[in-house]
Amino acid sequence: GAVVSQHPSWVICKSGTSVKIECRSLDFQATTMFWYRQFPKQSLMLMATSNEGSKATYEQGVEKDKFLINHASLTLSTLTVTSAHPEDSSFYICSASPPVTGTLGQPQHFGDGTRLSIL
Amino acid sequence: DQQVKQNSPSLSVQEGRISILNCDYTNSMFDYFLWYKKYPAEGPTFLISISSIKDKNEDGRFTVFLNKSAKHLSLHIVPSQPGDSAVYFCAALPRRGNEKLTFGTGTRLTIIP
Repeated sequence: GAVVSQHPSWVICKSGTSVKIECRSLDFQATTMFWYRQFPKQSLMLMATSNEGSKATYEQGVEKDKFLINHASLTLSTLTVTSAHPEDSSFYICSASPPVTGTLGQPQHFGDGTRLSIL
Repeated sequence: DQQVKQNSPSLSVQEGRISILNCDYTNSMFDYFLWYKKYPAEGPTFLISISSIKDKNEDGRFTVFLNKSAKHLSLHIVPSQPGDSAVYFCAALPRRGNEKLTFGTGTRLTIIP
């Protein structure tokens, strides 16, 4: 079964609306979660690294005031797309890393993604 | 600057035959490599990985080969099954313990019954 739950799976809203996407790790505590964005037929682009209890680390070119990330607990990270516009329409995917064990922990577990459509 | 590249955007293979997906990388600091399978409107699912200290890792029908000198890795699926039809992404990590993945551009694999 899924170890990372992402909600909602699909959002359609009007331009100017703020949209919150939740990412929950179900089977483990995740000190680090990641948020990706995927445009049609393109690769997954890392947007930011979400660290529990501290500020997120954003990749170059990602507006932190536009994409607000909160990682308030070890099992929940949220991404809020503020004042969304049509160009923000995309597929957003989160992932969570289990605690590292041995030389390298298990790979990231991904949520099923959120399709965001801004009208 | 695409550090991980999959030069074939699509591949069609007959059911029962071998599927070979290729991936090239440019960053010599990459230390660990992974393959993910992705269906439309779903998140990626982990398939298999390989450390840079190895040149081969096998798991059932899936085998990953790594050629460090050529900065090239490949995923072999044999025998290919219709359920293998999906988009496959290779990904790389710069070092153990750093979970920041860099994804390739993806290859859409279609298995022909």
